[in-house]
Amino acid sequence: DGGITQSPKYLFRKEGQNVTLSCEQNLNHDAMYWYRQDPGQGLRLIYYSQIVNDFQKGDIAEGYSVSREKKESFPLTVTSAQKNPTAFYLCASSFPTENTEAFFGQGTRLTVV
Amino acid sequence: AQSVTQLGSHVSVSEGALVLLRCNYSSSVPPYLFWYVQYPNQGLQLLLKYTSAATLVKGINGFEAEFKKSETSFHLTKPSAHMSDAAEYFCAVSENNFNKFYFGSGTKLNVKP
Repeated sequence: DGGITQSPKYLFRKEGQNVTLSCEQNLNHDAMYWYRQDPGQGLRLIYYSQIVNDFQKGDIAEGYSVSREKKESFPLTVTSAQKNPTAFYLCASSFPTENTEAFFGQGTRLTVV
Repeated sequence: AQSVTQLGSHVSVSEGALVLLRCNYSSSVPPYLFWYVQYPNQGLQLLLKYTSAATLVKGINGFEAEFKKSETSFHLTKPSAHMSDAAEYFCAVSENNFNKFYFGSGTKLNVKP
């Protein structure tokens, strides 16, 4: 079945460590996105990518980094520069055309202790 | 940039009662509009989207939404709530030039027996 796979579902890391969240899609979508979700704040865009080897900062990119070496993959690294990394992270993808919805993975809950 | 406002972070209805979740957007041109549903610790699932073909849009699980340009609104309704409708609902809008998605802060729907 086509879809978006995020792994792991739960992730625990010590403060000061970098951590990488995986996102893979087999929907043949060109565009991919990373969102951060905090209670009461909705989804905030971290990074997005329209094509391979290109990505753009979203509204809250500080302390995060991404790569887009393959169409299917868009990993997110949460660096030690991110002041409050504990959150629910959602990856999404879509065709980069008008009026096309985003498809979401099941999310990764990151807890920094 | 686009913005989305969802009035009411929590809405509680009785089983069988009407569900009304409000969404207003800010845009100088008609945007592309979406409603998503999220169950705890899961990703977002598309309920419906506005395609400009009709102002009343029908979605899954008996939900529908009406696009009102004059009010810049896209409220979500369901005639009769079911216990399984208890979840968080997000309204989203995308830009024309590139489909970045902007999300409201979400409304948690509680359904009382």
